[in-house]
Amino acid sequence: GESVGLHLPTLSVQEGDNSIINCAYSNSASDYFIWYKQESGKGPQFIIDIRSNMDKRQGQRVTVLLNKTVKHLSLQIAATQPGDSAVYFCAEASGGGADGLTFGKGTHLIIQP
Amino acid sequence: KAGVTQTPRYLIKTRGQQVTLSCSPISGHRSVSWYQQTPGQGLQFLFEYFSETQRNKGNFPGRFSGRQFSNSRSEMNVSTLELGDSALYLCASSLSGGHYEQYFGPGTRLTVT
Repeated sequence: GESVGLHLPTLSVQEGDNSIINCAYSNSASDYFIWYKQESGKGPQFIIDIRSNMDKRQGQRVTVLLNKTVKHLSLQIAATQPGDSAVYFCAEASGGGADGLTFGKGTHLIIQP
Repeated sequence: KAGVTQTPRYLIKTRGQQVTLSCSPISGHRSVSWYQQTPGQGLQFLFEYFSETQRNKGNFPGRFSGRQFSNSRSEMNVSTLELGDSALYLCASSLSGGHYEQYFGPGTRLTVT
């Protein structure tokens, strides 16, 4: 079946730099995308979402970009902090969400001091 | 507002036994979804409940079942446990059926020996 994937399993960045985490999806019917952050021993924490009728959405220090032409999603984190260390998942939904979220494998973001 | 709570947080069971996990959604949320998270398969959708009815089910065997009560609390049951059932079981709640934004609990770590 179709799934959501991530380009890199691990991303290491310097504290204070910007981080960009990428995600590729293959379900052309997906109309909603979410980024989650999961810290060790915790459940996924909602970061930001975007609907397919948008190209960009900004939150606090985070920006999500959606390129439907190439089925690509990215999460940008500005001025990365030690507390940003976690595994980041993109997820997609379609059909009103009744089928649940389809998650990618996750990218482990490591912050170097 | 209290978040999603799951009990117990940790559980050790023996192969062949059965287990019941509990989830209390955010107050006012009527939809509860369950996910299984393993290192190999990542996060996978199990099923979703809304208004005490199972709306959809992921690709898991019939040993996995669930239910939802009138107060929106949900339980999931796994019968005849197998070693491969060892995983983090996550519950997520959302406002209503078809509402994409899901908020996760901390999960129940199930170990089958």
